Amino acid sequence: DGGITQSPKYLFRKEGQNVTLSCEQNLNHDAMYWYRQDPGQGLRLIYYSQIVNDFQKGDIAEGYSVSREKKESFPLTVTSAQKNPTAFYLCASQQDHSGNTIYFGEGSWLTVV
Amino acid sequence: DAKTTQPPSMDCAEGRAANLPCNHSTISGNEYVYWYRQIHSQGPQYIIHGLKNNETNEMASLIITEDRKSSTLILPHATLRDTAVYYCIVRSTGANSKLTFGKGITLSVRP
Repeated sequence: DGGITQSPKYLFRKEGQNVTLSCEQNLNHDAMYWYRQDPGQGLRLIYYSQIVNDFQKGDIAEGYSVSREKKESFPLTVTSAQKNPTAFYLCASQQDHSGNTIYFGEGSWLTVV
Repeated sequence: DAKTTQPPSMDCAEGRAANLPCNHSTISGNEYVYWYRQIHSQGPQYIIHGLKNNETNEMASLIITEDRKSSTLILPHATLRDTAVYYCIVRSTGANSKLTFGKGITLSVRP
């Protein structure tokens, strides 16, 4: 089935360690996004990418990094510079045409211990 | 991209219609209105979207005012499983456009 796959679903990290969250889509979508959600809050944009080998900072990019070497993959690295990384992370994609549906993955829970 | 304003919460009785409002007074001509919902700890689920005409699908109807400055999502027969946070989003179609989510509206469907 087509869709967006995020892994892992749950991840624990020690302070000071980098961690990479995976996002893969087989929808042939051009645009991909990473969002962060804190409890009881809306979604905040971290990074987005409209095409391969290009990405843009969102509203809260500090402490995060991304890459877009392949169309179907958009991994997010949470670095040790991110001071409060415990959150729910959501990946999304959209075909880069007007009015197309935006699809979300099921999310990844990251907890710093 | 234009921002949206939604009330923080509302409730309705099971079986009745739920009308969820959204204001987007700064929307521009090439921006679509999208609605999503999110059940706790899951990814947002697409509901419906539109540009200027009213839209209907198997889940809901979207009513957009003629000046496009506001819209209403209608769930015709709400069920308990419709309890969720509903997000109204506007997005342009230009290069480097992005999705901007607000806090959404929490809909509680009561038995």
